[in-house]
Amino acid sequence: GAVVSQHPSRVICKSGTSVKIECRSLDFQATTMFWYRQFPKQSLMLMATSNEGSKATYEQGVEKDKFLINHASLTLSTLTVTSAHPEDSSFYICSARDLGLGFPYFGPGTRLLVL
Amino acid sequence: EDQVTQSPEALRLQEGESSSLNCSYTVSGLRGLFWYRQDPGKGPEFLFTLYSAGEEKEKERLKATLTKKESFLHITAPKPEDSATYLCAVQVLHGGSQGNLIFGKGTKLSVKP
Repeated sequence: GAVVSQHPSRVICKSGTSVKIECRSLDFQATTMFWYRQFPKQSLMLMATSNEGSKATYEQGVEKDKFLINHASLTLSTLTVTSAHPEDSSFYICSARDLGLGFPYFGPGTRLLVL
Repeated sequence: EDQVTQSPEALRLQEGESSSLNCSYTVSGLRGLFWYRQDPGKGPEFLFTLYSAGEEKEKERLKATLTKKESFLHITAPKPEDSATYLCAVQVLHGGSQGNLIFGKGTKLSVKP
């Protein structure tokens, strides 16, 4: 099956710093990638939809200046959490859509802890 | 508003005790319904996709069914390794987010030996 990777798998940072998370589709081209956030015992909440070569579309309530998304190629999208604060601590998961299948595969997630 | 509701929130079973998980949905137009398994600290793992009412799919001890209002994930003779959170998600026909999935809150399944 299609494989999606994320890096890093876990990151701890100080409040005020920026953190970059990478999402890669390893064996297929993904024109669309999705970024989700999941708090403990909650479901996945869509943050933004990323299209290769264009600006990301953010969901209501998600600050675009805080969560910077760059979809530079058909296999890579990055999410940068700028000036991170403890309330940004969460599990961030990306998914990539394979045009051939039409539905997205998920990455393993990145655990962010902001101290 | 498109909505997905899963029940129960948590389910405890004895090994071998069969049961079903429910996913009710209200959407403007269903493109597909998806079941995922999620283990703690990991991303969702794809299980099934269903596209039309009456469709059924099976994989080992799991069987997913779909009606116009809900989907069931039947677990037959579960084993402890089936313990996980099972997520249901829908993909809408005219979603503004280009095929993203709308998730339910999940059912946490625990299977005791």
